[in-house]
Amino acid sequence: AQTVTQSQPEMSVQEAETVTLSCTYDTSESNYYLFWYKQPPSRQMILVIRQEAYKQQNATENRFSVNFQKAAKSFSLKISDSQLGDTAMYFCAFMKGMGNDMRFGAGTRLTVKP
Amino acid sequence: DADVTQTPRNRITKTGKRIMLECSQTKGHDRMYWYRQDPGLGLRLIYYSFDVKDINKGEISDGYSVSRQAQAKFSLSLESAIPNQTALYFCATSDFQWGTAHTGELFFGEGSRLTVL
Repeated sequence: AQTVTQSQPEMSVQEAETVTLSCTYDTSESNYYLFWYKQPPSRQMILVIRQEAYKQQNATENRFSVNFQKAAKSFSLKISDSQLGDTAMYFCAFMKGMGNDMRFGAGTRLTVKP
Repeated sequence: DADVTQTPRNRITKTGKRIMLECSQTKGHDRMYWYRQDPGLGLRLIYYSFDVKDINKGEISDGYSVSRQAQAKFSLSLESAIPNQTALYFCATSDFQWGTAHTGELFFGEGSRLTVL
């Protein structure tokens, strides 16, 4: 079974600074997808960024980028120019190529301080 | 209106009661999922369905059942609720087509917080 590990239960960062959230996963699959979801206090789950395993180029979405290291099975999220609205739980998630189910990590609670 | 709607948003019930959480979607997606969220455990899959006639158990299906009444509706039932089923429950949908910008992405409802006393 696939497992997703987020080793940082809580993190904080000063507004306008950069922060990196860690995620590792375990799988024997070669074709899969990786995701970062954000859950603000409203509890809505919001997709931040996604990465296809077959793409070597790291995904980016505005201030959000990933460092995807396939051999190391690592998928970290970098948030640049942190904003107060980035305060949320962040979940790393893994989905096998056929999309049977999505497995989530335990989450990292990020606080952006003014 | 939300694309994925869950009812109720919040519910308090007692041990032994039967509870149904409902989910409806207007996205036209075939795939629907039920997850539960617990602090420190992330989200765990309870059941998923790829079409009306296809129901599959997830990681933690014991104590739960589901019904896919139509492509747009997927309900989760707790036949006899117990306190350790207190959690935040999410319904999600997916339209899994290879090579699209949204391949694999789950679209979530706003969650149903269930408390079992």
